[in-house]
Amino acid sequence: EDQVTQSPEALRLQEGESSSLNCSYTVSGLRGLFWYRQDPGKGPEFLFTLYSAGEEKEKERLKATLTKKESFLHITAPKPEDSATYLCAGSCPPAGNNRKLIWGLGTSLAVNP
Amino acid sequence: DGGITQSPKYLFRKEGQNVTLSCEQNLNHDAMYWYRQDPGQGLRLIYYSQIVNDFQKGDIAEGYSVSREKKESFPLTVTSAQKNPTAFYLCASTNTREQFFGPGTRLTVL
Repeated sequence: EDQVTQSPEALRLQEGESSSLNCSYTVSGLRGLFWYRQDPGKGPEFLFTLYSAGEEKEKERLKATLTKKESFLHITAPKPEDSATYLCAGSCPPAGNNRKLIWGLGTSLAVNP
Repeated sequence: DGGITQSPKYLFRKEGQNVTLSCEQNLNHDAMYWYRQDPGQGLRLIYYSQIVNDFQKGDIAEGYSVSREKKESFPLTVTSAQKNPTAFYLCASTNTREQFFGPGTRLTVL
């Protein structure tokens, strides 16, 4: 069964304390691994897409990496405004025209000043 | 500005009522999706549409209906057959694989 698992469920950091969020996947024929940020009461905001093992992408204090089994979202010197839930999703091979995403449950990140 | 709009932001429904959630996009995307988000659960796909006048059931379609008469619009109706409709509803669209989301509608059953 295709599955995406995120850990930890919740993470509390001090401002400036770097850490990583994990997204492990068992998606047959993965066609892309996606990271989103979601603030309370809002829709997810797209961050990154990774397509192949070894690929890395960066945006400000965030860097996403991908291996054959998992992806990491590294947060360097986080600030309180980085507090949010971070969602990971894997793209299955299309069945017909369906570009289906398999979603993880998210990691809730709180950064204390 | 290009984007996805959802309305209303908050919606209250009495038991036995049908309600319709609006989703409009001006991104010229072909595919549109409806998800439901509940605390402690991942995003669950309700319906999706790849082109106008065509749509398919997702994983939890029972008690919901949709239409796709225009490329820009993909409204979702929550019918009285949906026994537990209180949730946060998200609309998304894409032309590739990355899905872009609207701000969401929070539906509460009174």
